[in-house]
Amino acid sequence: KAGVTQTPRYLIKTRGQQVTLSCSPISGHRSVSWYQQTPGQGLQFLFEYFSETQRNKGNFPGRFSGRQFSNSRSEMNVSTLELGDSALYLCASSFQGRSLETQYFGPGTRLLVL
Amino acid sequence: DAKTTQPNSMESNEEEPVHLPCNHSTISGTDYIHWYRQLPSQGPEYVIHGLTSNVNNRMASLAIAEDRKSSTLILHRATLRDAAVYYCILRDYGGSQGNLIFGKGTKLSVKP
Repeated sequence: KAGVTQTPRYLIKTRGQQVTLSCSPISGHRSVSWYQQTPGQGLQFLFEYFSETQRNKGNFPGRFSGRQFSNSRSEMNVSTLELGDSALYLCASSFQGRSLETQYFGPGTRLLVL
Repeated sequence: DAKTTQPNSMESNEEEPVHLPCNHSTISGTDYIHWYRQLPSQGPEYVIHGLTSNVNNRMASLAIAEDRKSSTLILHRATLRDAAVYYCILRDYGGSQGNLIFGKGTKLSVKP
């Protein structure tokens, strides 16, 4: 079974721009979660999508948004980029997103905002 | 969510056992103890989980204290590939949220 894939792997943007990151979950998984990892804050939960609906959300500003398609692929968008948005963005998938299911992570997209 | 406390870093020699501790004094009866690790330049990966009894799998063993206020992840023979940040995470099996709440974790260095 193919693992979780994320594209692109690396991205450089400038302040004020917007960016869209993509995540393809493991086949059959319907829950996709997004996380941001920075040296200062560590790994923080952004949001989770299940069956095309945002089910849970972390404590991030509205500039961070996402969506999920009928094939469970998910995208996250960050508008009006700030320097502090430079981070590794990870997505994880699981079958139904239940609390005890193993989360399978992709390799991440490393975003650099200049 | 109940919090966990782990040492910031630990060192080990290759092929020696490693014991990674985790304190979770406010653990509730419905919390499972999960361990994930993050190898350099990779996303986190699942290692092991348990509720009350000690658990073993091909990657590691998990020893849980009788009062469940602490646990220890045991790598029986550390290899260079085990150098990673290890996260101890509590997950409420009665909860509705599937996302993981990461702490700072323990950075394990393995010396050849």
